[in-house]
Amino acid sequence: QVILVQSGGGLVKPGGSLRLSCGASDFSFSDYYINWFRQAPGKGLEWVSYISADGKSRLYADSVKGRFTISKDNAENSVYLQMDSLRADDAAVYYCAHIGYWGQGTQVTVSS
Amino acid sequence: DIEMTQSPDALAVSLGERATINCKSSQNLLYASNNKNYLGWYQQKAGQPPKLLISWASTRESGVPERFSGSGSGTDFTLTISSLQAEDVAVYYCQQYYSHPDTFGQGTKLEIK
Repeated sequence: QVILVQSGGGLVKPGGSLRLSCGASDFSFSDYYINWFRQAPGKGLEWVSYISADGKSRLYADSVKGRFTISKDNAENSVYLQMDSLRADDAAVYYCAHIGYWGQGTQVTVSS
Repeated sequence: DIEMTQSPDALAVSLGERATINCKSSQNLLYASNNKNYLGWYQQKAGQPPKLLISWASTRESGVPERFSGSGSGTDFTLTISSLQAEDVAVYYCQQYYSHPDTFGQGTKLEIK
């Protein structure tokens, strides 16, 4: 079942920025690490970024390193993905997830 | 990163027949201290997020039909659908969560023959 709730996303021009949010009411982000994945049309699931439960450890795929920033606010019970310098090949549906717990997905479109 | 490789990429099976999907990891997924394999199987239908079917390589999630089963240990794993139903048409993925980042196989597209 989907219990993570995502927001953000949309249409942006190349070079622009977007911020994705991932929250939940019955899921404590302070207890779990979170990954962001993305899926381009007709493609498989690509890992994008990881943040540890305590927020101290962060990892990024090479394709987004230096452009994307993951963060979490345990007080707000939310995780964020700040996406800067967006490119056409960043266009995809983005999901936040922890193993069996997934967000509903949010579309990111990069086009002039 | 741990690399996950599934086979086949696509599979067509007749209704009521068995479907088998394989997954191989580049590293051992069995954690010795708890004897658990950190491997999950997901089903994804069009326009939906992946749904976890099997965790710990062989534990069926709540509500998942008994026709779905997982097996294997270490680096080699299998998802079996014992009697294919029309609603099982989907893409299936294996995922390791033994070490970060959690990585997926490339997916297996399952269709009706």
